[in-house]
Amino acid sequence: GAVVSQHPSWVICKSGTSVKIECRSLDFQATTMFWYRQFPKQSLMLMATSNEGSKATYEQGVEKDKFLINHASLTLSTLTVTSAHPEDSSFYICSARGTRNGLGELFFGEGSRLTVL
Amino acid sequence: QQQVKQSPQSLIVQKGGISIINCAYENTAFDYFPWYQQFPGKGPALLIAIRPDVSEKKEGRFTISFNKSAKQFSLHIMDSQPGDSATYFCAASSSTFGNEKLTFGTGTRLTIIP
Repeated sequence: GAVVSQHPSWVICKSGTSVKIECRSLDFQATTMFWYRQFPKQSLMLMATSNEGSKATYEQGVEKDKFLINHASLTLSTLTVTSAHPEDSSFYICSARGTRNGLGELFFGEGSRLTVL
Repeated sequence: QQQVKQSPQSLIVQKGGISIINCAYENTAFDYFPWYQQFPGKGPALLIAIRPDVSEKKEGRFTISFNKSAKQFSLHIMDSQPGDSATYFCAASSSTFGNEKLTFGTGTRLTIIP
């Protein structure tokens, strides 16, 4: 079945540095990918929609200059957290639409846990 | 209008029992209602989903009941097992956005005790 892979699965960085998280669709092409943020014991909140070859669409309240999204190919979207601060510490999850048993389905990556010291 | 309300926040069920999680929505444009299971430190995985043209869908031990007039849907896990212990999220989306833009419920932490 369709698989979405994220890397790294966890990262620790110092405050003020930038961190890049990759989201890959391993066996299918995804023109659209989605980035979510999940704080501990909370729900997933959609941050932005990543569109291959064009600018990402950000949800209200999400700073586009802080969370840079690049969707340079049909299988890869990256999220860069710029000048990270402790409040950016969270679980970041991407998703992409693939097919399973002939039906369209949104597949989620395993998530990337960011800890900013 | 975009909210999906989920209850209970946490649930403890004895092994072999039935686990029931409820969700309610407001946006009548929603026409796709999936349930996701998430284990700690992992991304969510689709369990089962339903569209408003049916009132119930069953896959193995998992059943979704859907009440369109009440704008409510629920997940029933029959013969609950310890391996079912996880956080469950309901979600909803509209075909207007290609059913890709999901609005998630707040989650239910399910614990199955022996």
